[in-house]
Amino acid sequence: DTAVSQTPKYLVTQMGNDKSIKCEQNLGHDTMYWYKQDSKKFLKIMFSYNNKELIINETVPNRFSPKSPDKAHLNLHINSLELGDSAVYFCASSLGVGGPEAFFGQGTRLTVV
Amino acid sequence: AQTVTQSQPEMSVQEAETVTLSCTYDTSESDYYLFWYKQPPSRQMILVIRQEAYKQQNATENRFSVNFQKAAKSFSLKISDSQLGDAAMYFCAYRSANTGNQFYFGTGTSLTVIP
Repeated sequence: DTAVSQTPKYLVTQMGNDKSIKCEQNLGHDTMYWYKQDSKKFLKIMFSYNNKELIINETVPNRFSPKSPDKAHLNLHINSLELGDSAVYFCASSLGVGGPEAFFGQGTRLTVV
Repeated sequence: AQTVTQSQPEMSVQEAETVTLSCTYDTSESDYYLFWYKQPPSRQMILVIRQEAYKQQNATENRFSVNFQKAAKSFSLKISDSQLGDAAMYFCAYRSANTGNQFYFGTGTSLTVIP
C-alpha cells in the first residue's frame, strides 16, 4: 500500500564496506530522485532519473552509483563507505518533468562507523 | 540554479495560536510550483500544501494556508489553531514547471508547539 518504499530504514556499517539502498514506487510516476539530508537537515539532490534515464547527476563521488532497472525502481549502491557518508538518504518520485509534487520514501539512516 | 531561503531556523507557537513561516525564492522563470513539506521526528517528508505560480489565489488546506506574493518572490505558510502534532521541521521547496528536474529546498524551519 506504501507509495514510495525504501529499504532498509536503518543501515549501520563499517568504513570501507559496500552497501545498497533499494527504492520502489507504485504511483506510476516516471521520475525518481535520490536526496541526501545531512546532519543540519539540509536536503541536497544527488540523482534524478526520468523514464530510467539519468537526467541529473550532481557533484557526487563516483562511489555512489544509482541503478534504475525500470520506472518503478531506483536503487543506490555505495562503494567504499566513508564516515562522511553518514546521513539520511531519501528516495522520491514525481509525475513527469515539471509535474507536481514529489512523494518521498521514509528515508534510510546510514551510519558509517 | 534557483535558491530557496528560509530565514527562520526556529519558531515557536502556543497551542491553538497562529504562526507564519517565511520563505523567499529566486528565479527568472514565470511558471513554477512552490511547496511546503513537513518533516516530523519520524523523518517522513509529508506534503503540506502546493501553489502553482500561475494561480493568483492562495492555496489553503484546512488549517494551513499560504501567502503567495509572486512579484516579491515570497511564499509564507500560515498555520492556524496550532496543534501539538504540527511540531516538525518545515521545508519550503521550488520546482520549475518547464525544466523541473529537481526540487530545490530551503534550509528548513523547526517549529515547536508549546502546550
